[in-house]
Amino acid sequence: SQTIHQWPATLVQPVGSPLSLECTVEGTSNPNLYWYRQAAGRGLQLLFYSVGIGQISSEVPQNLSASRPQDRQFILSSKKLLLSDSGFYLCAWSATSGTEQFFGPGTRLTVL
Amino acid sequence: KQEVTQIPAALSVPEGENLVLNCSFTDSAIYNLQWFRQDPGKGLTSLLLIQSSQREQTSGRLNASLDKSSGRSTLYIAASQPGDSATYLCGKKGGLDRGSTLGRLYFGRGTQLTVWP
Repeated sequence: SQTIHQWPATLVQPVGSPLSLECTVEGTSNPNLYWYRQAAGRGLQLLFYSVGIGQISSEVPQNLSASRPQDRQFILSSKKLLLSDSGFYLCAWSATSGTEQFFGPGTRLTVL
Repeated sequence: KQEVTQIPAALSVPEGENLVLNCSFTDSAIYNLQWFRQDPGKGLTSLLLIQSSQREQTSGRLNASLDKSSGRSTLYIAASQPGDSATYLCGKKGGLDRGSTLGRLYFGRGTQLTVWP
């Protein structure tokens, strides 16, 4: 069966510090991968998606970036965090673009 | 612009009631629609997926329907239980020929459900 992991589970960072969130998927090959953010009082916002290694598409550039160094690894990064980056970050995968999406447990990021 | 609306925003009911949660979308081009459950501080758990060619899907006490012509989906929960308390989200995948981001879901803000004993 397939599983999706995210770490860390929670993170508290000062403004201006760097960020690295990791997502890995097990039990499948060449998945589509997605990063979403869920901010308080707002719906889920798609940040990045990837259909293969090194292939990243950005929906909301802001000061975040994503990378996919391996088939089942998706990383969300920032060089300098802003207060507005606080939120709940969710990674998701699907077998293809048209199939069911499955979400990871999420990372709660608080920027102070 | 793809917009997904969920009504009501919150719902509080006694145990045993049958419930209907609504999801409406502005663009009738749809590839599929997915219903999720989210517990506080947790990720999304997929409940049901309805393809655009389908009218409904059932899983246990849950039944989801899709009406493309009116741009609506409903999630029906039979004989609700306190364990059903959570936020329910619908995510719509737009038609792939409409230039929408391949595979992305457009989400509503959810319905927060509380079932009390």
